[in-house]
Amino acid sequence: DAKTTQPTSMDCAEGRAANLPCNHSTISGNEYVYWYRQIHSQGPQYIIHGLKNNETNEMASLIITEDRKSSTLILPHATLRDTAVYYCIVSEGTSGSRLTFGEGTQLTVNP
Amino acid sequence: DTAVSQTPKYLVTQMGNDKSIKCEQNLGHDTMYWYKQDSKKFLKIMFSYNNKELIINETVPNRFSPKSPDKAHLNLHINSLELGDSAVYFCASSLLATDTQYFGPGTRLTVL
Repeated sequence: DAKTTQPTSMDCAEGRAANLPCNHSTISGNEYVYWYRQIHSQGPQYIIHGLKNNETNEMASLIITEDRKSSTLILPHATLRDTAVYYCIVSEGTSGSRLTFGEGTQLTVNP
Repeated sequence: DTAVSQTPKYLVTQMGNDKSIKCEQNLGHDTMYWYKQDSKKFLKIMFSYNNKELIINETVPNRFSPKSPDKAHLNLHINSLELGDSAVYFCASSLLATDTQYFGPGTRLTVL
């Protein structure tokens, strides 16, 4: 799997949008971008994934640049419960699920 | 209804003992996994089973033996526990062998 680079930590005010960046400059054409998060002491939670096009679901939006070398996860209205470590992962999607979790970004939502 | 469940949630044991952690999923998924999260919070895959067959076996000591009696269960048995086995172990499942995985709540293992 290609390596990803994320900021170690970010802060966001409650009710504002949280924009979490991820660089994946060595991503290959058949690799997806996945986002998971881990709230303290809980199991990781799937958020969203995409290949080329931007994606949106009930949790978040995923914006992938045209060259696919970077992406941004957007939480449109962050709440205190969104405080977590967010992981950006690139994977083939049908690779047998060899997800490689990096260090992620610690997002802290402040009141 | 809990999608992926693990028991026990906490496990404290002595070095040298043998212990098991159980995992069950009620999602009808074909593939199940075990991950280990160490004290530095790095999450690493250990094993993956698809329809009761082993498909991923990372470099894990053979003291760790996964067992899948059916595709809804993947148990982890650990022999001769060592201090370094202390970690949080997460079970996960996915529909087929894709990367949208659903994780259990974790089992915190402490070896004294």
